Amino acid sequence: DTGVSQNPRHKITKRGQNVTFRCDPISEHNRLYWYRQTLGQGPEFLTYFQNEAQLEKSRLLSDRFSAERPKGSFSTLEIQRTEQGDSAMYLCASSPSQGAGEAFFGQGTRLTVV
Amino acid sequence: QQQVKQSPQSLIVQKGGISIINCAYENTAFDYFPWYQQFPGKGPALLIAIRPDVSEKKEGRFTISFNKSAKQFSLHIMDSQPGDSATYFCAASPLYAGNMLTFGGGTRLMVKP
Repeated sequence: DTGVSQNPRHKITKRGQNVTFRCDPISEHNRLYWYRQTLGQGPEFLTYFQNEAQLEKSRLLSDRFSAERPKGSFSTLEIQRTEQGDSAMYLCASSPSQGAGEAFFGQGTRLTVV
Repeated sequence: QQQVKQSPQSLIVQKGGISIINCAYENTAFDYFPWYQQFPGKGPALLIAIRPDVSEKKEGRFTISFNKSAKQFSLHIMDSQPGDSATYFCAASPLYAGNMLTFGGGTRLMVKP
């Protein structure tokens, strides 16, 4: 399967704990995106990488959130001091670098903060 | 403000009927308009996309109609099938921003056999 892979699929954590999610994009895709989707809502853009450079960050991305994409390959999204409001599906997508090519989404990581 | 408004929130259609979902946007910088289909527990999957240089695009049973002056676009699903039952999202972005998409709120479609 050469699609976008996200791990873990599910994560339950206690409030105040730190969590980290991983995304492996389609290998030839230079662009990588993180979105957050709450129940019954559309995905909301969080941040975007072109290769290893983080080019855009949404105002939604508080200081407790940090994303990296070392060497322009996989990416990690870390949430520090989790809050109940962080409970959501975290989606990763990748696309080619030319224009608005099709964005392929992973199946997401569902985070539940208890 | 970057916002995409989608309607209806839910839709029930008989098998063989036409499903119509509408979206409106405000940001005139938007020039890429995709539609995504999402099944429970899955990530969104691109169905069809349009750029504002055309007013309509058709792929199989799916058609996007685009009205640039009204800043509206819609998805038509012809001959709707039970397998089309899913949540549909419209989205928009400026072309220069690739897939930094602004999504609508979604439409939950149920196609009754």
